[in-house]
Amino acid sequence: NAGVTQTPKFQVLKTGQSMTLQCAQDMNHEYMSWYRQDPGMGLRLIHYSVGAGITDQGEVPNGYNVSRSTTEDFPLRLLSAAPSQTSVYFCASRVGGRTSYNEQFFGPGTRLTVL
Amino acid sequence: QKEVEQDPGPLSVPEGAIVSLNCTYSNSAFQYFMWYRQYSRKGPELLMYTYSSGNKEDGRFTAQVDKSSKYISLFIRDSQPSDSATYLCAMTTDSWGKLQFGAGTQVVVTP
Repeated sequence: NAGVTQTPKFQVLKTGQSMTLQCAQDMNHEYMSWYRQDPGMGLRLIHYSVGAGITDQGEVPNGYNVSRSTTEDFPLRLLSAAPSQTSVYFCASRVGGRTSYNEQFFGPGTRLTVL
Repeated sequence: QKEVEQDPGPLSVPEGAIVSLNCTYSNSAFQYFMWYRQYSRKGPELLMYTYSSGNKEDGRFTAQVDKSSKYISLFIRDSQPSDSATYLCAMTTDSWGKLQFGAGTQVVVTP
């Protein structure tokens, strides 16, 4: 299994540009999420999905859109990039439902710089 | 104020020493506590997972939870240079709930 994969690894954007960060998992996990990691801030939840067709906002959703058309894929779209969105983005997945064990598996991250 | 507080370090220790890491939190409803390890330019990976108060040991790693003090700890015995990483605490109210992460503590183990 490849686990959670993310593309691209690195990206530089200009202010106002849009782009999509790709995330895929091959573990048949229902729950997928996007985090951003900034120095001194830890991981903050942007959006999450409990299954195909179902998404919801996390702690810092503004400026980002998501959709979940399949179990495997959960892309994150930046609508109009701003310098404040410079960060490292992590996608994660786990088994869905009310499980007793909540291990999230993280992808390798996408480093985004907005100029 | 953040729900989860964690000293960002860096924490530098000599090889073989005990590494002591901790987090404090404000939400008394947290019941599930985790420690993630993150190597440089990699994604976090789960290291320890505990429920409610008490201790849990796994090899050289020991996780402790003191809910009365809202304080969790991670100890690494006989530290190795390969333990050099950032350690993030995380916690949630329900096992299926959203995680709240600490900022992470950078640990450097010098040979």
